[in-house]
Amino acid sequence: KNQVEQSPQSLIILEGKNCTLQCNYTVSPFSNLRWYKQDTGRGPVSLTIMTFSENTKSNGRYTATLDADTKQSSLHITASQLSDSASYICVVSTGYNQGGKLIFGQGTELSVKP
Amino acid sequence: DAGVIQSPRHEVTEMGQEVTLRCKPISGHNSLFWYRQTMMRGLELLIYFNNNVPIDDSGMPEDRFSAKMPNASFSTLKIQPSEPRDSAVYFCASGGRHEQYFGPGTRLTVT
Repeated sequence: KNQVEQSPQSLIILEGKNCTLQCNYTVSPFSNLRWYKQDTGRGPVSLTIMTFSENTKSNGRYTATLDADTKQSSLHITASQLSDSASYICVVSTGYNQGGKLIFGQGTELSVKP
Repeated sequence: DAGVIQSPRHEVTEMGQEVTLRCKPISGHNSLFWYRQTMMRGLELLIYFNNNVPIDDSGMPEDRFSAKMPNASFSTLKIQPSEPRDSAVYFCASGGRHEQYFGPGTRLTVT
């Protein structure tokens, strides 16, 4: 069964600290893995997308890693800011040539406190 | 570009009424997706279109739900009759080969 599991479910950190969110998946065939940030009351916004051959990708203070062998990904946030408070969703695409069927994780709710 | 446009942003209706949600994708995108998000189930893909043609509607919960895309710039998601368990935020997204851009969502409340 295609599944994406994220941990932790929620996380509270102090402003300026780093944190790492985890994503494990059992999706086949694998096409790509995406991390989305969803602010409260808004639609998800893409942070990174990685294909099978990529093992790291950065977007500003966000760095995603992918280990296709162990089927694990992480999202590392450096020097957190209050605006990083959001839900972070890991999404794996099974792949088809026009967008990919997406399997969504339940998300990690991050709260950055001053 | 204004991004993906959805309307209405909020909808409150009574059980049994018909509800129509609307979406205008980003110009030039050939794929359009409808999602539903609830606290219990997270984000769920309901249906997606490619070049205006429905490709996979396996996520549509039941016959009360229907979606159309009459042209490249417009899509609707209809619920008839609506039920309280349909209360959720419905997102439309459009995209190309590797990326999807989400609209702001429609928050539906069925009383």
